[in-house]
Amino acid sequence: AQKVTQAQTEISVVEKEDVTLDCVYETRDTTYYLFWYKQPPSGELVFLIRRNSFDEQNEISGRYSWNFQKSTSSFNFTITASQVVDSAVYFCALSEGGNSGGYQKVTFGTGTKLQVIP
Amino acid sequence: NAGVMQNPRHLVRRRGQEARLRCSPMKGHSHVYWYRQLPEEGLKFMVYLQKENIIDESGMPKERFSAEFPKEGPSILRIQQVVRGDSAAYFCASSAGLAGYNEQFFGPGTRLTVL
Repeated sequence: AQKVTQAQTEISVVEKEDVTLDCVYETRDTTYYLFWYKQPPSGELVFLIRRNSFDEQNEISGRYSWNFQKSTSSFNFTITASQVVDSAVYFCALSEGGNSGGYQKVTFGTGTKLQVIP
Repeated sequence: NAGVMQNPRHLVRRRGQEARLRCSPMKGHSHVYWYRQLPEEGLKFMVYLQKENIIDESGMPKERFSAEFPKEGPSILRIQQVVRGDSAAYFCASSAGLAGYNEQFFGPGTRLTVL
């Protein structure tokens, strides 16, 4: 069974600080996909990134970066120079790819609430 | 290209009434998923449908909940005889193909309040 753990329930940082959100996952599949979503106070879910299990290259997109480490089953998310607009709940998610090509549901972590203080 | 549409955005029901939540997937998407988010919690998978078929309903409560995705029209999540514990945000997502290979695009959610 797949599982996603986001141990940090809430984090508060002062604007311009860097912050890392942790995500640890469990899966028995060799093919799987990892995601990060942002849920701002307005409530909608915003897709941030998708990573497949064969691509361990870290990714940077503006102030966002992701560190995928298969050895520790982690997919951490760092925001550099945080801004007030980054305040939101961030969800890490996992989908097993299914070696037979069949459907696999997406499992979400419980989320990390980030508050950026001006 | 319009995104995933959900309506209503907010729904208030009294205990015992029925709630109908609608989801129109993105154009060209034939895979629909429903998730429930209880207050202060993450999203929990409920059901996965393709056109006219329920593929996986392992996350759906056995009673009072049902879902459909007809050949024409939106997907419907139906909750009969609602109780206070059904109060939650219900998100619909759609994808062009199987979840793992294709990202799921989420709708804005329907917030159900049961009085």
